Amino acid sequence: DAGVIQSPRHEVTEMGQEVTLRCKPISGHDYLFWYRQTMMRGLELLIYFNNNVPIDDSGMPEDRFSAKMPNASFSTLKIQPSEPRDSAVYFCASSPRTGSNEKLFFGSGTQLSVL
Amino acid sequence: GENVEQHPSTLSVQEGDSAVIKCTYSDSASNYFPWYKQELGKGPQLIIDIRSNVGEKKDQRIAVTLNKTAKHFSLHITETQPEDSAVYFCAASRGGYQKVTFGTGTKLQVIP
Repeated sequence: DAGVIQSPRHEVTEMGQEVTLRCKPISGHDYLFWYRQTMMRGLELLIYFNNNVPIDDSGMPEDRFSAKMPNASFSTLKIQPSEPRDSAVYFCASSPRTGSNEKLFFGSGTQLSVL
Repeated sequence: GENVEQHPSTLSVQEGDSAVIKCTYSDSASNYFPWYKQELGKGPQLIIDIRSNVGEKKDQRIAVTLNKTAKHFSLHITETQPEDSAVYFCAASRGGYQKVTFGTGTKLQVIP
């Protein structure tokens, strides 16, 4: 398996523009997570899905952020409009149903820079 | 909510020496404690985990210990090698796919 695939790897955009980050989870994994990593706040959970249904979006910072999972093999995280403080590395992770342990498989991340 | 503190933030060791990273957590209901390794330009990768009913777990050169009473757990790496250089994160959760809270990370440098 190729692992969790994220695109793009790097995104540079101007303030006010719409940004869409994409993720393909590992086939067969039931859970999908979006994390944001910054020096100041570390790794933060933004939202997670179970069987394509959003379960907990309490980490989504503002209404400018939205996430969808239209099918088991694809998810998007959208920021509209983007702001410089959104600059961070955004990770997607997926997890199989393995009892009660939450083992996360992370993608390589999208480095977002909002100018 | 859960709060996980991790120390030290940076750690330099000579190749072959041991490295220890310590974490404390606040939620007494947390029962699952994974450790992740993040190499430059990559996402975190799970290297070892422990559940609250176990006090210690080993996997080759890596071991994790847990003290539930004191609410702290530690990662021990023996016979360190240059490829161990990375950022290590501890984490805690109540299990069952509930929210995983990460520590702030430790940048480990192994000097050849």
